[in-house]
Amino acid sequence: KAGVTQTPRYLIKTRGQQVTLSCSPISGHRSVSWYQQTPGQGLQFLFEYFSETQRNKGNFPGRFSGRQFSNSRSEMNVSTLELGDSALYLCASSLALQQETQYFGPGTRLLVL
Amino acid sequence: AQKITQTQPGMFVQEKEAVTLDCTYDTSDPSYGLFWYKQPSSGEMIFLIYQGSYDQQNATEGRYSLNFQKARKSANLVISASQLGDSAMYFCAMREDNTDKLIFGTGTRLQVFP
Repeated sequence: KAGVTQTPRYLIKTRGQQVTLSCSPISGHRSVSWYQQTPGQGLQFLFEYFSETQRNKGNFPGRFSGRQFSNSRSEMNVSTLELGDSALYLCASSLALQQETQYFGPGTRLLVL
Repeated sequence: AQKITQTQPGMFVQEKEAVTLDCTYDTSDPSYGLFWYKQPSSGEMIFLIYQGSYDQQNATEGRYSLNFQKARKSANLVISASQLGDSAMYFCAMREDNTDKLIFGTGTRLQVFP
């Protein structure tokens, strides 16, 4: 069974641009969460989706948005990029809510210049 | 407020020895889950072990075991027979009831030497 996949793996953008990151969960998984990892702030929760509904959102500005499609694939978008948005963006999936395992993808490394 | 504390920024252990990575948590929710993840330099988070707040026994997964002391709100990870490939960052995380949101600690960098 294929794991969580994230595309693209690496991305370089300039300030002011926007970016869309994609996450395909493990087949059959319906819960998807996103995290941002930076050296200064560590791992911070961005969004949580289940069956196309956003259940939780972390403390991030409105420039960060996301959605989940009917096939459970999820995208997150960051508009008007800032230098501080440079980070590793990780996606995790689980079969349903409150499961004993959440599986992470390899992440997308975003560099904003 | 929910919080995970990992007080060891770095740990060293010799190959084949056991090592304990500390994790304490704070929550007022009676139902919660505790996770440990390993993050090698490649960046991917690898799930290691899970402990539910109502589980009576400590979780074990191969060389990994979780020393769960509920009254002390601690969930330490024990790695037995360390291997060179265990060198990585280790994160403790907590999930409260009715959400899949994980709260992570700051991590412990483990280095295994021959």
